[in-house]
Amino acid sequence: GAGVSQSPRYKVAKRGQDVALRCDPISGHVSLFWYQQALGQGPEFLTYFQNEAQLDKSGLPSDRFFAERPEGSVSTLKIQRTQQEDSAVYLCASRRGEGTYEQYFGPGTRLTVT
Amino acid sequence: DAKTTQPPSMDCAEGRAANLPCNHSTISGNEYVYWYRQIHSQGPQYIIHGLKNNETNEMASLIITEDRKSSTLILPHATLRDTAVYYCIVRVARGGGADGLTFGKGTHLIIQP
Repeated sequence: GAGVSQSPRYKVAKRGQDVALRCDPISGHVSLFWYQQALGQGPEFLTYFQNEAQLDKSGLPSDRFFAERPEGSVSTLKIQRTQQEDSAVYLCASRRGEGTYEQYFGPGTRLTVT
Repeated sequence: DAKTTQPPSMDCAEGRAANLPCNHSTISGNEYVYWYRQIHSQGPQYIIHGLKNNETNEMASLIITEDRKSSTLILPHATLRDTAVYYCIVRVARGGGADGLTFGKGTHLIIQP
């Protein structure tokens, strides 16, 4: 079946622009995660949703980062007034539900801020 | 979460078993050991997880020492497609809202033809 999809795959933004990154999780998956991966580093946790509820946003690096999942399926990660240090791959993952272990990752969106 | 230590890189010949070590000496009783891998330009992929007992699935085997302070991921017959960064992660299975994974830098496994 279809896996996790993300769009766009690549995004170039000028410093100060706002960007929106989309994640389509596996159908029926309750949990959704966003991660940020800088070049040469492992992914770092940003935020977690269970259905439409954002239960953990402890990893969001600043108040310029905002995530939503209004209907409990598709999620959007928005970054306002982008800075060069925001350049990274943004990964989305979904999980079937509580009590399950495996997170399924999408291919990521590579954001470059110039 | 308990900290994990992995070698930064390893080589293995194609067709041989690849044994990837992970130290997690501060692991607590309710923490599981998870392994994920990330092939270049792809998102991470779940491989296997375990608590105390050794585990095996179609991808790999996980050997956890009796004191649970270290583990080894075994790819029994490595192929070129197994070249990837392998992450060992220690995490409680159900952490309420705090379910994000902490990846670290992992081991870059290079399979040589």
